[in-house]
Amino acid sequence: GAVVSQHPSWVICKSGTSVKIECRSLDFQATTMFWYRQFPKQSLMLMATSNEGSKATYEQGVEKDKFLINHASLTLSTLTVTSAHPEDSSFYICSATGTGVDEKLFFGSGTQLSVL
Amino acid sequence: AQKITQTQPGMFVQEKEAVTLDCTYDTSDPSYGLFWYKQPSSGEMIFLIYQGSYDQQNATEGRYSLNFQKARKSANLVISASQLGDSAMYFCAMREIDQFYFGTGTSLTVIP
Repeated sequence: GAVVSQHPSWVICKSGTSVKIECRSLDFQATTMFWYRQFPKQSLMLMATSNEGSKATYEQGVEKDKFLINHASLTLSTLTVTSAHPEDSSFYICSATGTGVDEKLFFGSGTQLSVL
Repeated sequence: AQKITQTQPGMFVQEKEAVTLDCTYDTSDPSYGLFWYKQPSSGEMIFLIYQGSYDQQNATEGRYSLNFQKARKSANLVISASQLGDSAMYFCAMREIDQFYFGTGTSLTVIP
């Protein structure tokens, strides 16, 4: 099956620094990628939707200047958490899909971000 | 209204027994897809099963089957012969065109 690779799987950073998370679709062209945030024992919270070559669409309440999303190609999307603060600590997970209502979401393995 | 509703925050099942995880959905779109994902403690999201809105038969994948009742807008997941490794969070999801909606999840614990 299709594989989505997400790196890093775990990152610890100091408050005020920026962290970049990469999401790659390894064997298919992902027309759409989604970025989610997940708190312990809760559901996925959609942060933004990105389509290749266009600006990401952010969900209400998500700061686009803080969570920079770039979908540079059909196989790569990045999420950069700028000037990270402890409240940004969370599990971030990307997913990718093609077109068609029968196409499933393929998920990356997630990134646990801890901001000290 | 919630697009996806999972009313069971937690479920317990005896090993080797079957268990049903409930999911109801809300859409006015005639074309949609329904999915179930498993999330073990490692955090990865594992695709389990898919049901299309036009599919006449219930989907099955090994020990997983989807009880699709279109008129009732329900898409319950049935896990047969539960195994200890089935202990995890389970999420029901629906796709409308290019939007995915997830339920709040059900935590399943398999008891030896």
